[in-house]
Amino acid sequence: NAGVTQTPKFQVLKTGQSMTLQCAQDMNHEYMSWYRQDPGMGLRLIHYSVGAGITDQGEVPNGYNVSRSTTEDFPLRLLSAAPSQTSVYFCASSYWVGSEAFFGQGTRLTVV
Amino acid sequence: AQTVTQSQPEMSVQEAETVTLSCTYDTSESDYYLFWYKQPPSRQMILVIRQEAYKQQNATENRFSVNFQKAAKSFSLKISDSQLGDAAMYFCAYRLQGAQKLVFGQGTRLTINP
Repeated sequence: NAGVTQTPKFQVLKTGQSMTLQCAQDMNHEYMSWYRQDPGMGLRLIHYSVGAGITDQGEVPNGYNVSRSTTEDFPLRLLSAAPSQTSVYFCASSYWVGSEAFFGQGTRLTVV
Repeated sequence: AQTVTQSQPEMSVQEAETVTLSCTYDTSESDYYLFWYKQPPSRQMILVIRQEAYKQQNATENRFSVNFQKAAKSFSLKISDSQLGDAAMYFCAYRLQGAQKLVFGQGTRLTINP
């Protein structure tokens, strides 16, 4: 009964480094998304996927890449980290577009 | 573009009392879904309640209920008999029918005073 699992929970990067945030769900959900949470701004959509092999950009996609090779996994890649990417990142999945989104526990990323 | 506004950055209430959190949204669409999420200090986002726009009846979940006013584009959350465990950030969110994107408000930090 894991739900949505994100790793790591905390990460510190130096400017220019790359890394991948992992997200996996075991609920056989087609829809998966990545959000970032910044103080005073709620959560904003970075990228999303409506099924394996299909991804699209959200509201704030610059500096991030995604891929969806399986239904279960939806990794988020930071190509060259910048201080502006310091944030808390959430992965979410849902069964269909009108249903509730289930969230992972978040990754707190600091770029120095 | 759809927007969600929570005008109360912080609220506080005495334990066992009732509190109402406000949310307004802006959309020209008629088919959509509205949600309240709770984020305790653990950072986990937890669904509190969900409302379909086509339903006139207000959703309720135990001590949590909403006042959905579609014409006014208002979606407030009422918490009855507040408990210490209700202390958290609360986010109002909107999702258009058929769309993947959840649009979130800025959040309201709720404090419960013992």
